[in-house]
Amino acid sequence: QKEVEQDPGPLSVPEGAIVSLNCTYSNSAFQYFMWYRQYSRKGPELLMYTYSSGNKEDGRFTAQVDKSSKYISLFIRDSQPSDSATYLCAMSANRGSTLGRLYFGRGTQLTVWP
Amino acid sequence: GAVVSQHPSWVICKSGTSVKIECRSLDFQATTMFWYRQFPKQSLMLMATSNEGSKATYEQGVEKDKFLINHASLTLSTLTVTSAHPEDSSFYICSARPGLAGWGEQFFGPGTRLTVL
Repeated sequence: QKEVEQDPGPLSVPEGAIVSLNCTYSNSAFQYFMWYRQYSRKGPELLMYTYSSGNKEDGRFTAQVDKSSKYISLFIRDSQPSDSATYLCAMSANRGSTLGRLYFGRGTQLTVWP
Repeated sequence: GAVVSQHPSWVICKSGTSVKIECRSLDFQATTMFWYRQFPKQSLMLMATSNEGSKATYEQGVEKDKFLINHASLTLSTLTVTSAHPEDSSFYICSARPGLAGWGEQFFGPGTRLTVL
């Protein structure tokens, strides 16, 4: 079992739709949860990060973490064609030898069509 | 701020040759740099972690004699793919972590696409 599972999609939605992206994980040591956006042939860029459980909102983006279920989500409201990219979840522990190491999901490819 | 560059952005080489990829943190000092490999439609796979002035720590299954990593300064790390073969063709991405970042935030470079003929 991989440490981080993410449905690769692809996911195709019309402009204006609400998008829900999800990841599950198995390692209870993960404390930091991140979402990266990666455009084709580019490096990932950090969208949001959350420490421990809870919600975090930034504009059209909302990140949720449910540690009891080992499940994280990213919601995109009023999706735009410019949101078309691959979204990667990533996680990190805050103790032990894995400090700072990121564990990535496979990425979900999102297309928002006009 | 927090910009990481990579050079070259793409490279094509013949099988058996060596290729060097540079990763630079432009506006911060990076005590730790990471090298990833990404195959098409796959996630980022961590290859190695390097700390300035010390030997890199390689992930299981990554040949340290084939993928040479040097982190000679707080702003520069290099990855050399020695005796490259077609199966080494991939997208190589580095990231850098500022020394004071407690939770491990990493800033990623734009990636280098390597094609081995």
